[in-house]
Amino acid sequence: SQTIHQWPATLVQPVGSPLSLECTVEGTSNPNLYWYRQAAGRGLQLLFYSVGIGQISSEVPQNLSASRPQDRQFILSSKKLLLSDSGFYLCAWSSGGKFFGPGTRLTVL
Amino acid sequence: SQQGEEDPQALSIQEGENATMNCSYKTSINNLQWYRQNSGRGLVHLILIRSNEREKHSGRLRVTLDTSKKSSSLLITASRAADTASYFCATDYILTGGGNKLTFGTGTQLKVEL
Repeated sequence: SQTIHQWPATLVQPVGSPLSLECTVEGTSNPNLYWYRQAAGRGLQLLFYSVGIGQISSEVPQNLSASRPQDRQFILSSKKLLLSDSGFYLCAWSSGGKFFGPGTRLTVL
Repeated sequence: SQQGEEDPQALSIQEGENATMNCSYKTSINNLQWYRQNSGRGLVHLILIRSNEREKHSGRLRVTLDTSKKSSSLLITASRAADTASYFCATDYILTGGGNKLTFGTGTQLKVEL
């Protein structure tokens, strides 16, 4: 069966520090992968999606970037975090419905 | 935008009662999906209803879709304390680069009390 992993589960980072969040998927090949962010008390916003290795599309302008170095690996990065980057980050892959990872709660202080 | 908007924002019921949540959206959709999120955790896909379907069932869940009114409802029958969670509707459309985009509403917080 397919599973999706994200780490770390929680992260507290100072403003201006770099960020790297990793997502890996098992049990499927060539999945469409997505990064979403959920601000406190709100719905999810699509940040990036990828339909294949090295293919990244950005949905909203922001301080973050994404990369897909391997078929089942999706990475969310930032060179310098802002306070507004705080939130709950969810990786997902799609097959009909979307299947979400457990998420990473990022707090930027 | 196609953002789904749930109503009510919060709902508190007793165990055994039915819970109904509504969702409205603005533009044409490919399908509409409902998700559940337990506090501080990832989303769980509940049910997908296509634009040409009017009603769908899954266990204690019943979803309806009215494309003329651009609305959907999620009914949870015989609720349990374990159903306490936030519920989101999401409208789905195809991205130009491939893949699909889900646009989420702000959710309904359901609390089921013993």
